[in-house]
Amino acid sequence: DAKTTQPPSMDCAEGRAANLPCNHSTISGNEYVYWYRQIHSQGPQYIIHGLKNNETNEMASLIITEDRKSSTLILPHATLRDTAVYYCIVSKEYGNKLVFGAGTILRVKS
Amino acid sequence: DSGVTQTPKHLITATGQRVTLRCSPRSGDLSVYWYQQSLDQGLQFLIQYYNGEERAKGNILERFSAQQFPDLHSELNLSSLELGDSALYFCASSPNPGETQYFGPGTRLLVL
Repeated sequence: DAKTTQPPSMDCAEGRAANLPCNHSTISGNEYVYWYRQIHSQGPQYIIHGLKNNETNEMASLIITEDRKSSTLILPHATLRDTAVYYCIVSKEYGNKLVFGAGTILRVKS
Repeated sequence: DSGVTQTPKHLITATGQRVTLRCSPRSGDLSVYWYQQSLDQGLQFLIQYYNGEERAKGNILERFSAQQFPDLHSELNLSSLELGDSALYFCASSPNPGETQYFGPGTRLLVL
């Protein structure tokens, strides 16, 4: 599975959009980009995933660059409850495991 | 709530002992995954089952074993416990291998 690079931490003001970047320059054609988050020591929570196209759901939007070498997770109106560690993971189609890196600690501040 | 349940929530035991962690996947999910999260190692994949059969192994110690039963629930058995086995153990499930994994709330194991 391709390796991902994320900034160790970011701050965001409550009510503003949080844009979390991820670099995955060695991604291959059959690999998806997944985003999970972990609030304190709870189980990782699935947010969104995509292959090529931008994706949006009720939680977030995922923007994948045309060359697929990087992506951005957007939380449109961050709240204090969005404070968590956010993991960007690249996983093969029909893959067996998720490889978690250190992630980005997002702190939403009032 | 992901729909994945894990029991117990907390477990305190002594070195050398054996424990069993239980996971019930989301309704309809055939694949179960186990992960370990310790302070120094982060979240690491241990093992995957699909419809009762072992499908993939990660960094799982020989002292650890798992199985998936006909009703699709899974158990992770940890034996000859050491202090370093203290960690959070998460179970995840997906409809089929490679599809989105949904995680349970975890079991916090403390070995004294």
